Amino acid sequence: QKEVEQNSGPLSVPEGAIASLNCTYSDRGSQSFFWYRQYSGKSPELIMFIYSNGDKEDGRFTAQLNKASQYVSLLIRDSQPSDSATYLCAGYGGATNKLIFGTGTLLAVQP
Amino acid sequence: DVKVTQSSRYLVKRTGEKVFLECVQDMDHENMFWYRQDPGLGLRLIYFSYDVKMKEKGDIPEGYSVSREKKERFSLILESASTNQTSMYLCASSLSNTQDEQFFGPGTRLTVL
Repeated sequence: QKEVEQNSGPLSVPEGAIASLNCTYSDRGSQSFFWYRQYSGKSPELIMFIYSNGDKEDGRFTAQLNKASQYVSLLIRDSQPSDSATYLCAGYGGATNKLIFGTGTLLAVQP
Repeated sequence: DVKVTQSSRYLVKRTGEKVFLECVQDMDHENMFWYRQDPGLGLRLIYFSYDVKMKEKGDIPEGYSVSREKKERFSLILESASTNQTSMYLCASSLSNTQDEQFFGPGTRLTVL
């Protein structure tokens, strides 16, 4: 069983819509979570991190963490074609105390 | 801005060759990491280092070694390259706490023929 799981997609949304990206994790001891964006052929760059249950907003991005249900999500409001990329969810802590990455979800925003 | 640089963007080597991948960060970060990224498998940690001359194995250290002689530089060594080591190699660094944000270099796409 993978420790951090994501649907590989592609997730296709029209321009201006809300994109919802989801991630589940198996290690209940995981404490902090990161969302990275990776454009094709490029390296990952951090979008947001979240430690506490609830929502965290930064511009068009909202990260949500539900520790009881062991899921993390990233909402992208007013999606733009430039948001088209692979989004990687990563979790820290618990048994490994290392950053464990999911395999990523490919988002395609259609103009 | 944090800058993590890697010595090559693309590298082609032959089976059995010794391969050196270099990574340099310019923000005085304590921690440095080497990952490989393969389709469908995501990012997997090879080795990491939390201090000069210190190293820890990640999830897939077999066939690799590392060296950290200076704080800003972390090298990944493939002692005898094999075709199954063809991959994208990503270096990252973080400030001090293992839960700090990791900053990635541009990556090296290694092909072993």
